[in-house]
Amino acid sequence: DAKTTQPNSMESNEEEPVHLPCNHSTISGTDYIHWYRQLPSQGPEYVIHGLTSNVNNRMASLAIAEDRKSSTLILHRATLRDAAVYYCILRAGTGNQFYFGTGTSLTVIP
Amino acid sequence: DAGITQSPRHKVTETGTPVTLRCHQTENHRYMYWYRQDPGHGLRLIHYSYGVKDTDKGEVSDGYSVSRSKTEDFLLTLESATSSQTSVYFCAIRRTGRRYTGELFFGEGSRLTVL
Repeated sequence: DAKTTQPNSMESNEEEPVHLPCNHSTISGTDYIHWYRQLPSQGPEYVIHGLTSNVNNRMASLAIAEDRKSSTLILHRATLRDAAVYYCILRAGTGNQFYFGTGTSLTVIP
Repeated sequence: DAGITQSPRHKVTETGTPVTLRCHQTENHRYMYWYRQDPGHGLRLIHYSYGVKDTDKGEVSDGYSVSRSKTEDFLLTLESATSSQTSVYFCAIRRTGRRYTGELFFGEGSRLTVL
């Protein structure tokens, strides 16, 4: 299974945009890019996913590089409630296994 | 959102005893998963199920078994618990169908301590 690489931690000021990077240089053509986040003392929750095109939803935006070897989760305006661990994972197009790594711990500074 | 519940939420047991964790869903989804979460390791997939009596191993399946006799229940069993199995265990369902995008939806976790 293709792996992802994320920074261990990042900081952001409240009300500023946050760009969370993810590298997945061994991604295959049918792998979907998923993002989840885990708030303290909770289970992970779905944020967004995409295949080739950039995606937007009410929580965030996903920017996918043209060669698909990297992607960026964009939180347009960080709030204190966005402090969490963010996981970037790949899922094979025909697969049903989701492998998480250690993610990026985001700290939002008031 | 009560689509998935885990029980027990907290358990303390002794080394060598059997332990069963239960995951119950009310949404009738086909795919269910068990993960464990430990400091420094993130979430790791233990086993998953793709239907009644259909299960497969994940990346850390040694020491664990699972069963799924009904769509709504996915059981994780530690036949003889060890201290290395002290962890937080998360169950998840994969939400498929017209209303969803195929994402995972997680339970609140079960904290297991093996003394």
